[in-house]
Amino acid sequence: EPEVTQTPSHQVTQMGQEVILRCVPISNHLYFYWYRQILGQKVEFLVSFYNNEISEKSEIFDDQFSVERPDGSNFTLKIRSTKLEDSAMYFCASSRLAGAANTGELFFGEGSRLTVL
Amino acid sequence: QKEVEQDPGPLSVPEGAIVSLNCTYSNSAFQYFMWYRQYSRKGPELLMYTYSSGNKEDGRFTAQVDKSSKYISLFIRDSQPSDSATYLCAIQGAQKLVFGQGTRLTINP
Repeated sequence: EPEVTQTPSHQVTQMGQEVILRCVPISNHLYFYWYRQILGQKVEFLVSFYNNEISEKSEIFDDQFSVERPDGSNFTLKIRSTKLEDSAMYFCASSRLAGAANTGELFFGEGSRLTVL
Repeated sequence: QKEVEQDPGPLSVPEGAIVSLNCTYSNSAFQYFMWYRQYSRKGPELLMYTYSSGNKEDGRFTAQVDKSSKYISLFIRDSQPSDSATYLCAIQGAQKLVFGQGTRLTINP
């Protein structure tokens, strides 16, 4: 069964360092997403990406964050200068459809845990 | 007012019990309502979705939406230990899902 894969599973970094989280979405999916979940809190939307462009982003997704699809398979989230409050589980997701046509069936990866010291 | 509110629990019931999980939402424009299940150290997986008001049944699971009161429910019949997980309600926006806090459910053998 196709699945979304994420690397690394856990990354520990120092405050101020750059971090890149990587995702390989399901191959025939067209819409890609990053969500995050701070320990004990809700899963929160960060950004959606379609046709090599950001289609929507939340207020969390400020100038410190960027996304890229550098090739036909990877989808990355970069945090330029990490802060303590960036510590969270980051989930990549993909879907075949989006918006009103989507039944909400996003396929999530297992997450990348980021710890900022 | 939060977009989606869900009692985080935890909720612990004996095997075989009927479980009721609930969420409220604030924006009446939402049309798609989902329940995701999240096992420990895994990503959320879609359990069921419902469009507009009404019920939807899938095996032991029933999802219910009452748009007049902005209330969504998930019922689990004949609950099993393997149903132990965190259950997240979610509302489908244009390009994103808005999740509730999640209810941690434990089914005791």
